[in-house]
Amino acid sequence: EDKVVQSPLSLVVHEGDTVTLNCSYEVTNFRSLLWYKQEKKAPTFLFMLTSSGIEKKSGRLSSILDKKELSSILNITATQTGDSAIYLCARNSGGSNYKLTFGKGTLLTVNP
Amino acid sequence: DGGITQSPKYLFRKEGQNVTLSCEQNLNHDAMYWYRQDPGQGLRLIYYSQIVNDFQKGDIAEGYSVSREKKESFPLTVTSAQKNPTAFYLCASSRWTDSYEQFFGPGTRLTVL
Repeated sequence: EDKVVQSPLSLVVHEGDTVTLNCSYEVTNFRSLLWYKQEKKAPTFLFMLTSSGIEKKSGRLSSILDKKELSSILNITATQTGDSAIYLCARNSGGSNYKLTFGKGTLLTVNP
Repeated sequence: DGGITQSPKYLFRKEGQNVTLSCEQNLNHDAMYWYRQDPGQGLRLIYYSQIVNDFQKGDIAEGYSVSREKKESFPLTVTSAQKNPTAFYLCASSRWTDSYEQFFGPGTRLTVL
């Protein structure tokens, strides 16, 4: 089955902590892996990863793909309460490149 | 402002009724998508459309129908055949050439009474 598995499913940290969110996928065809942040309603795009070992960075957020391990991590350093959200990972298989398969998401809560 | 709009924000339906959720985009995107999100679940694809007058079933199409008569619009009808329709529905759109980056609307929360 074509799965995307995220861990942990939920996480509670204090402001200033660093967190690492995990995403693994099971697929033979692979085109890209995407990360989204969903605060209350619409998910917003964070990163798209296509090449293994190349880190994408945006402020305190960074992400990297490991094609050998079929996984990706999303790091958030110096967390703030505004980082509280559901973080969604999605895989694009490329064969039908308009379809994304999403994981269940990680609910991150950052307490002051 | 360019973006995707969905209406209504909240929708209540009695059992046995069909309801239609609206999705409009002014991003000039070719592709549009409908997802369903349940608590503790990721997004599951209901239907998608690459071009006008064409659409394909996603992973959970049973009990739903769509149309794509205009590029900007992709309404979703939740029919009485959908056994468990209470959920949060998200519409998205993307360009065709880099369709993996999808832009989402604010969603419609449907509750069946």
